[in-house]
Amino acid sequence: DTAVSQTPKYLVTQMGNDKSIKCEQNLGHDTMYWYKQDSKKFLKIMFSYNNKELIINETVPNRFSPKSPDKAHLNLHINSLELGDSAVYFCASNQIAGGRELFFGEGSRLTVL
Amino acid sequence: SQKIEQNSEALNIQEGKTATLTCNYTNYSPAYLQWYRQDPGRGPVFLLLIRENEKEKRKERLKVTFDTTLKQSLFHITASQPADSATYLCALEDMRFGAGTRLTVKP
Repeated sequence: DTAVSQTPKYLVTQMGNDKSIKCEQNLGHDTMYWYKQDSKKFLKIMFSYNNKELIINETVPNRFSPKSPDKAHLNLHINSLELGDSAVYFCASNQIAGGRELFFGEGSRLTVL
Repeated sequence: SQKIEQNSEALNIQEGKTATLTCNYTNYSPAYLQWYRQDPGRGPVFLLLIRENEKEKRKERLKVTFDTTLKQSLFHITASQPADSATYLCALEDMRFGAGTRLTVKP
């Protein structure tokens, strides 16, 4: 039973398109995150939601919009895709109180042509 | 703003030796620090968390130290094995990560 699951695992699309990546966690955690890992392998935090409320909003283009319909889901919508958006996007979750260790999904590899 | 640095991009060691990875941070006083392992094509996996009032934490062959004066954490793998080859990342309590150190253990 996967703890943090992301779909799709692979996404190939043309510049200018709009795409979404979905994330679900079944761990009962109250906080979810999106990270971007580029070709240099640096893992950069993008957004974080705690109980559906945005708590971290890094400097990312406003073409990126997260949406959290409930505590167990955090989706990432990207408008007008650019070549530089190509990366692996990781979803993660944790419980703010307590150990706070992050549980990551397997990643969604986005390729923009 | 705070910075977190892992000052070795890559580390190659011989099997059986101890690997030591470094994580430094500035402009921050974290209550704790975490270490993760990432294998190619996979998401990072949590290894250890060390709190500011703990000098050292151990888990099997892993040991982490935390020096709040030096603003540094050291991550040690003793009796290293080729299966330990991976990228190791440190993270502050705000869930921001360092760039990682790619460890290769040669047989």
